[in-house]
Amino acid sequence: DQQVKQNSPSLSVQEGRISILNCDYTNSMFDYFLWYKKYPAEGPTFLISISSIKDKNEDGRFTVFLNKSAKHLSLHIVPSQPGDSAVYFCAASPASGTYKYIFGTGTRLKVLA
Amino acid sequence: NAGVMQNPRHLVRRRGQEARLRCSPMKGHSHVYWYRQLPEEGLKFMVYLQKENIIDESGMPKERFSAEFPKEGPSILRIQQVVRGDSAAYFCASSPIGQGTDTQYFGPGTRLTVL
Repeated sequence: DQQVKQNSPSLSVQEGRISILNCDYTNSMFDYFLWYKKYPAEGPTFLISISSIKDKNEDGRFTVFLNKSAKHLSLHIVPSQPGDSAVYFCAASPASGTYKYIFGTGTRLKVLA
Repeated sequence: NAGVMQNPRHLVRRRGQEARLRCSPMKGHSHVYWYRQLPEEGLKFMVYLQKENIIDESGMPKERFSAEFPKEGPSILRIQQVVRGDSAAYFCASSPIGQGTDTQYFGPGTRLTVL
């Protein structure tokens, strides 16, 4: 039962263009969402988060959008850089146990120079 | 400002042996979480610990797996009598608060290979 889904296993984008990574969830009790970036043989690195009381959060080149009615969130990276090439994981946590992150299966982003 | 430390980074065990994975949280963090990642999958929550307390072990297999976070020293994830299916990357994370919109910071992981 995959409660957090990243349906695109991979994505290729030209350097300088926008990268859009998508994530869908099924549990309406999720109220905190995060994006992590992971390089090979390293641990996930926290990128950006959003609480369910907001629909947008921005940090430099990274913006996360949350559409609660559609149970969908997306991560926008603009402009994309070759160093952004990594696997991106979406994670969600429920109000009842905010420490228990539920991760998606990841999207591998490749930014082409 | 050291991050979350895990050792060893790679561990090879034969079936039936024991595996011990260590995690030192970030300075100032007293909440530790263990996750497991199988190939081509996302990370799966295993256990949440505070110093000398297991808060939630609902994601941990009932047999052969145990975790501790003693008053002094690192958190330990222990797998007894390992089987091939235990081969995975095991990540430890830590956070300062443990509730609300607390963010977990991950270590580099231990890659366990069971022969």
